[in-house]
Amino acid sequence: GAVVSQHPSWVICKSGTSVKIECRSLDFQATTMFWYRQFPKQSLMLMATSNEGSKATYEQGVEKDKFLINHASLTLSTLTVTSAHPEDSSFYICSARGDGYTFGSGTRLTVV
Amino acid sequence: RKEVEQDPGPFNVPEGATVAFNCTYSNSASQSFFWYRQDCRKEPKLLMSVYSSGNEDGRFTAQLNRASQYISLLIRDSKLSDSATYLCVVSSGYALNFGKGTSLLVTP
Repeated sequence: GAVVSQHPSWVICKSGTSVKIECRSLDFQATTMFWYRQFPKQSLMLMATSNEGSKATYEQGVEKDKFLINHASLTLSTLTVTSAHPEDSSFYICSARGDGYTFGSGTRLTVV
Repeated sequence: RKEVEQDPGPFNVPEGATVAFNCTYSNSASQSFFWYRQDCRKEPKLLMSVYSSGNEDGRFTAQLNRASQYISLLIRDSKLSDSATYLCVVSSGYALNFGKGTSLLVTP
């Protein structure tokens, strides 16, 4: 079946640094990739939608200059958390739309 | 009002019990409905889609009532391995909207 590979699975970084998260669709072309964030005991919240070759669409309240999304190819989308702060610590997960929705395995980001 | 609302639980049930989860959604234009399962610190995994006619997959039965904007999941003969968080998910044909999830703990 469809597989989305997400890396890294976990990362610890210092406050003020940037972190890049990659999602690759391994056996299908993902024209649309969704990026979610999940805080403890909360639901997955959609942050942004990226379409290959065009600018991402951000949900209300999500800073586009802080969460940079690039979807340069049909198999790769990246999310860069710029100037990370402790409040950005969360579980970030991507989902690619093919026949259905396929999720990456998530990235647990801890900013210290 | 949240788009998808669920009772967070936790539901603690003994092995073999039957347990039911409910969910309501606010967007009447929603087109697709799902139950996902999420284990601790893992990605959500699709358990089953939900159809108006109701559908069953082994011990799991899902129901959808579009008029009431209500979705349910019934788990029969609970197993220890069913312990997880169950996410009610709704889509209007775009991204998925997740409920907070209902936590289930099946005990020996």
